[in-house]
Amino acid sequence: GESVGLHLPTLSVQEGDNSIINCAYSNSASDYFIWYKQESGKGPQFIIDIRSNMDKRQGQRVTVLLNKTVKHLSLQIAATQPGDSAVYFCAENSFSGSRLTFGEGTQLTVNP
Amino acid sequence: SQTIHQWPATLVQPVGSPLSLECTVEGTSNPNLYWYRQAAGRGLQLLFYSVGIGQISSEVPQNLSASRPQDRQFILSSKKLLLSDSGFYLCAWSVGGSQETQYFGPGTRLLVL
Repeated sequence: GESVGLHLPTLSVQEGDNSIINCAYSNSASDYFIWYKQESGKGPQFIIDIRSNMDKRQGQRVTVLLNKTVKHLSLQIAATQPGDSAVYFCAENSFSGSRLTFGEGTQLTVNP
Repeated sequence: SQTIHQWPATLVQPVGSPLSLECTVEGTSNPNLYWYRQAAGRGLQLLFYSVGIGQISSEVPQNLSASRPQDRQFILSSKKLLLSDSGFYLCAWSVGGSQETQYFGPGTRLLVL
């Protein structure tokens, strides 16, 4: 079946370094992708989204890259801070789908 | 701006007891509403979604049910809780007519003993 999954379940980085969180998807009809950040004990928080007609989108300290050829999505966080420590989820939707499909999540830990 | 509320924040219930979790959205009309469950250290499992008052779609068979008595109110219920119902329950909303960006509430942590 269609699925969205993450390459790495955990990622540990030093404060100030750049972080890259990856996501693979298998639904070739996916046309909209979202990254969420979930801090411990809280609901997921929208970070950034991208549509399939784009391959890059930038926000504040975050960049999302989309490679439709290999069905790969990544979230780059510049100058990672301790407050960035959280679980990051990718999610996808498609015209043929009626809901978001979430990946399992990557735990990002930022070491001081 | 839109806000989403869930209560209670935490709940401890005995096996076999009933359940009622409430979610309300402010600042928007005719939203799509969703209930998810999240096991510890895991991803999100969609339980129910609703595109309008009284319209509920169930994603997985279980002993939970959902209702939408008002446009911006979504309720998750059970007549008899099971141990396996423990988890973190999240409500979310999206713009009506669109199934794209979903915005999540703060969640309810349920422990069934």
